Amino acid sequence: DAKTTQPPSMDCAEGRAANLPCNHSTISGNEYVYWYRQIHSQGPQYIIHGLKNNETNEMASLIITEDRKSSTLILPHATLRDTAVYYCIVRVAGLDDMRFGAGTRLTVKP
Amino acid sequence: KAGVTQTPRYLIKTRGQQVTLSCSPISGHRSVSWYQQTPGQGLQFLFEYFSETQRNKGNFPGRFSGRQFSNSRSEMNVSTLELGDSALYLCASSLGGRSYNSPLHFGNGTRLTVT
Repeated sequence: DAKTTQPPSMDCAEGRAANLPCNHSTISGNEYVYWYRQIHSQGPQYIIHGLKNNETNEMASLIITEDRKSSTLILPHATLRDTAVYYCIVRVAGLDDMRFGAGTRLTVKP
Repeated sequence: KAGVTQTPRYLIKTRGQQVTLSCSPISGHRSVSWYQQTPGQGLQFLFEYFSETQRNKGNFPGRFSGRQFSNSRSEMNVSTLELGDSALYLCASSLGGRSYNSPLHFGNGTRLTVT
């Protein structure tokens, strides 16, 4: 079973920031938080990952709470092409057995 | 750099037949994993190969098998197909190695339909 909890769906206005929450209250010290997204009929796309510090790349920012029990993925300026299912996953470093949950279906609206 | 390539993109088979799916990882990646995605069960891990050895396996029957070649390319085979095997089969590659924390990169999958 997935070790994360995400809201099933969210809406966001185009051009606004999309903030996607994830709860991972049972995360272990050697587990990283990963975010992927999947657009219909394509494979999941890697977005970002982190252990305990906040991370930023060209796609998004990842904010992890100090107790590491939850995190938020931020898409700073959402576009229509960001409409997708977003998955938050906790993963032990080096293990490729990733437990995907149902994810959050983000709909960006004009 | 080319991404993960899966062939074929679509496949239609009949119950009882077998099927082989192919995956070419990103150049330099040594680990290949396979996942099954269905509307009811979501994304589920099948198995992982590293340096031609299976090092992790999910909870699937023995009809599902795989292998990895010396160039890291991988194949998965499903024998005695059942209707419930209809799914999107995804391959992912990573640098591999237990000391690495490299992300998995997925291909766009092979959509298998069993009739």
